[in-house]
Amino acid sequence: EVQLVESGGGLVQPGRSLKLSCVASGFTFNNYWMTWIRQAPGKGLEWVASITNTGGSTYYPDSVKGRFTISRDNAKSTLYLQMNSLRSEDTATYYCTRGAHPAYWGQGTLVTVSS
Amino acid sequence: DVVMTQTPVSLPVSLGGQASISCRSSQSLVHSNGNTYLHWYLQKPGQSPQLLIYRVSNRFSGVPDRFSGSGSGTDFTLKISRVEPEDLGDYYCLQSTHFPLTFGSGTKLEIK
Repeated sequence: EVQLVESGGGLVQPGRSLKLSCVASGFTFNNYWMTWIRQAPGKGLEWVASITNTGGSTYYPDSVKGRFTISRDNAKSTLYLQMNSLRSEDTATYYCTRGAHPAYWGQGTLVTVSS
Repeated sequence: DVVMTQTPVSLPVSLGGQASISCRSSQSLVHSNGNTYLHWYLQKPGQSPQLLIYRVSNRFSGVPDRFSGSGSGTDFTLKISRVEPEDLGDYYCLQSTHFPLTFGSGTKLEIK
C-alpha cells in the first residue's frame, strides 16, 4: 500500500524558514517523480514544486521560485521542501504527492505564516 | 500559464441522479508525446484529494464505473451517474501537460 506521511508544518513568522518532510513507503521511491501541492484554508489547489526521480531536475511556479527548494533522499525514501522567506500567502496545507501527474496524496501538513 | 476554467462552481444533484462537470483549458493539453494529461480529483470533506480519472478517461484503481471522463484538446467533461452520498465534495481538474501545473477552481457537488 502506497503511503506518504508529511511532517514539519507549524506556525512560523513571516520571513522565516521551514522545512517539510515526506516519508514514502509501499513503492519503489526512486522510480517516481514527486510533487508538492498546497491548499490555502478554504481555497483551491496550487502546484508548488516537482522533482524528477533522480533529483536531477526541479520545477517551480513563479510564486515560490527562488524561495522554495524541493529535494529528495532516495536512500531514505524521503521528499523535502525547504521554504525560505515565508509570506502570509504561503499559509496552507502542503500535500506530498507521487508522480509528475499526481496519483497518490499524503494527509497533508499545515503551515501557518503569521506574526 | 494554462488557465483551467471549471464549471459550474456549485452543482446541486439528487441522489441517484447524474452530474456533469466541465473543464476548459486556455490551450491544447496534447503533449508532444501524444498523451493528454488532464486528470480529475475528488476532495471529500476533511480529506486529501483523491484521483478519480487520469489522462482524460482512465479510471484510477478502485474508482467505480459511475465515474467517466471524456474530451479532447481543450474541452473536457467528468460525468457521475447514479450519484451516491459518498460522491459529495469538491471536484478539481488538473492539467499536467504544461509547466506550471494548473488546477481548475473546483466544483462543489451537493445534495439538492
